[in-house]
Amino acid sequence: LAKTTQPISMDSYEGQEVNITCSHNNIATNDYITWYQQFPSQGPRFIIQGYKTKVTNEVASLFIPADRKSSTLSLPRVSLSDTAVYYCLPTEGGKLIFGQGTELSVKP
Amino acid sequence: NAGVMQNPRHLVRRRGQEARLRCSPMKGHSHVYWYRQLPEEGLKFMVYLQKENIIDESGMPKERFSAEFPKEGPSILRIQQVVRGDSAAYFCASSPSGTGRNEQFFGPGTRLTVL
Repeated sequence: LAKTTQPISMDSYEGQEVNITCSHNNIATNDYITWYQQFPSQGPRFIIQGYKTKVTNEVASLFIPADRKSSTLSLPRVSLSDTAVYYCLPTEGGKLIFGQGTELSVKP
Repeated sequence: NAGVMQNPRHLVRRRGQEARLRCSPMKGHSHVYWYRQLPEEGLKFMVYLQKENIIDESGMPKERFSAEFPKEGPSILRIQQVVRGDSAAYFCASSPSGTGRNEQFFGPGTRLTVL
């Protein structure tokens, strides 16, 4: 299974755009790239998933270059409620392998 | 459509007792996954089940832990003879299929405290 590397923590201010980059050099051909968000004392919540190029939904955008060795989660205009841990996972079905995640702290 | 349900939300057991954690997947989902999150750590996969079958139990401790997902009723994670190191949050997730775009929906978790 592909190993992922993300920044351990990031700080931002309300209203800013936040980009979190994840590297997954050994991603398999069949893997999708999925991002989850976890608030303290809650289960993870699916944010977005993609295979390549760009995916956008009502919450975020996901940018995946052609070589698929990395991906960038973009959160537009963050608010205090976006303070959470964000996990990047290559997924092909079955179990999810969570790394350490990125702890995003949004300040007023 | 109700989300993934887990009960109890909090469970306190003394060393040596048994803990039974229940998970009801979302309607229409036949794939269930259990994860454990120790304090200040990330989530670790434990077991993946489909109705009446264990698909992947590579994350389950070899002893004292078992899981089932019967044809009728919730999935059960059972921990026998609990020890203090079992204290953690146990999350259940479900998905409609186990392949491809496998979005998993997580429950609120059961927080087990072993005294």
